[in-house]
Amino acid sequence: GAVVSQHPSWVICKSGTSVKIECRSLDFQATTMFWYRQFPKQSLMLMATSNEGSKATYEQGVEKDKFLINHASLTLSTLTVTSAHPEDSSFYICSAVVRGRASDEQFFGPGTRLTVL
Amino acid sequence: RKEVEQDPGPFNVPEGATVAFNCTYSNSASQSFFWYRQDCRKEPKLLMSVYSSGNEDGRFTAQLNRASQYISLLIRDSKLSDSATYLCVVNSPTGGFKTIFGAGTRLFVKA
Repeated sequence: GAVVSQHPSWVICKSGTSVKIECRSLDFQATTMFWYRQFPKQSLMLMATSNEGSKATYEQGVEKDKFLINHASLTLSTLTVTSAHPEDSSFYICSAVVRGRASDEQFFGPGTRLTVL
Repeated sequence: RKEVEQDPGPFNVPEGATVAFNCTYSNSASQSFFWYRQDCRKEPKLLMSVYSSGNEDGRFTAQLNRASQYISLLIRDSKLSDSATYLCVVNSPTGGFKTIFGAGTRLFVKA
């Protein structure tokens, strides 16, 4: 299957700092990537849809000025958590869609565990 | 009402048991359906797609009932390695291509 990488795999930062997370499709081009957040014992919640060459589409309740998304190329999307606070501590996962004839399959990155102190 | 609802779990079963998970979705226009598996502190991985005709992959069988808006996953001859959280996933046409995840059902298979 398609491979999606994320970097870093984990990060610990102080409150108020900004953290950038990279999502790369390694062996295919992805015009669309998704960013999810998952709190402990909860399901994945879609934060935003990242579109190559255009602005991201944010889900209701997600602050676009706090979670900056840049999809600069067909293989890279970045999520920047600005002025992170402890409540932003979570597991952030990106995914990229491979369009198929029967259905679309999402391939997920391994996730980035963010801990804000 | 949540767009995708799953059995709350957890399911605790012995090795060799057969276990079934259920999932319902609210948007009748939903187009594609999947079961994903997520191990603790890992990303979800596709287990299988779900088709109206039903599909089987080894010990796993998935069924879709569009009339009832219901999806199921059956695991036969459970293995210890099947212990994980199983996520019901629905692609909804609302607002464009949008993937909705169920909250997941936790499965523990014990020796």
